[in-house]
Amino acid sequence: DARVTQTPRHKVTEMGQEVTMRCQPILGHNTVFWYRQTMMQGLELLAYFRNRAPLDDSGMPKDRFSAEMPDATLATLKIQPSEPRDSAVYFCASAFTGGWTEAFFGQGTRLTVV
Amino acid sequence: AQTVTQSQPEMSVQEAETVTLSCTYDTSESNYYLFWYKQPPSRQMILVIRQEAYKQQNATENRFSVNFQKAAKSFSLKISDSQLGDTAMYFCAFMPTTTSGTYKYIFGTGTRLKVLA
Repeated sequence: DARVTQTPRHKVTEMGQEVTMRCQPILGHNTVFWYRQTMMQGLELLAYFRNRAPLDDSGMPKDRFSAEMPDATLATLKIQPSEPRDSAVYFCASAFTGGWTEAFFGQGTRLTVV
Repeated sequence: AQTVTQSQPEMSVQEAETVTLSCTYDTSESNYYLFWYKQPPSRQMILVIRQEAYKQQNATENRFSVNFQKAAKSFSLKISDSQLGDTAMYFCAFMPTTTSGTYKYIFGTGTRLKVLA
């Protein structure tokens, strides 16, 4: 059963610490997305990659967030330094774009910065 | 800018009744895809139904159907014979076609639906 795998599921960290979230997209999918879910903003697109190339990271605070895709099986989202306002659920999703397809989501990482 | 608006933050419906969730979007694209996703308390995002904008026929998946009004840029979701398991957050999403060179899915802020026994 193909699925998007995200780690960790939960993360509690102190303000100022570095946080790294990882995502393994579905094999064969060529596009990977990072979304942030908050009560007020719904699902915000932070960044996405197509064929491992970053296409859009305009939704990401550049000074503290970075997203990379070192290979086709791994995408990472880093926050350094973390702040309490970063507390949210972070989702990774993958899709095969270029055809008719929906995005498949991982189970998300619930991040709490104290 | 492309946007998706869900104007109903919360709704409730009695079990076995029918409920309609609203979604409007704004785009200058002529062709695109529309989706409804369900997010139960487990947090997992699950695709409910999808629609291609060039198709005039409304999509249907069992108890779920859409009312797609392209000119009005409206894409509402109707849930018939509501079940307790339908209790979830529902997100409307939009994706332009690949000819635009953009591949991102744009989501609304969600509607929290509660099905009452």
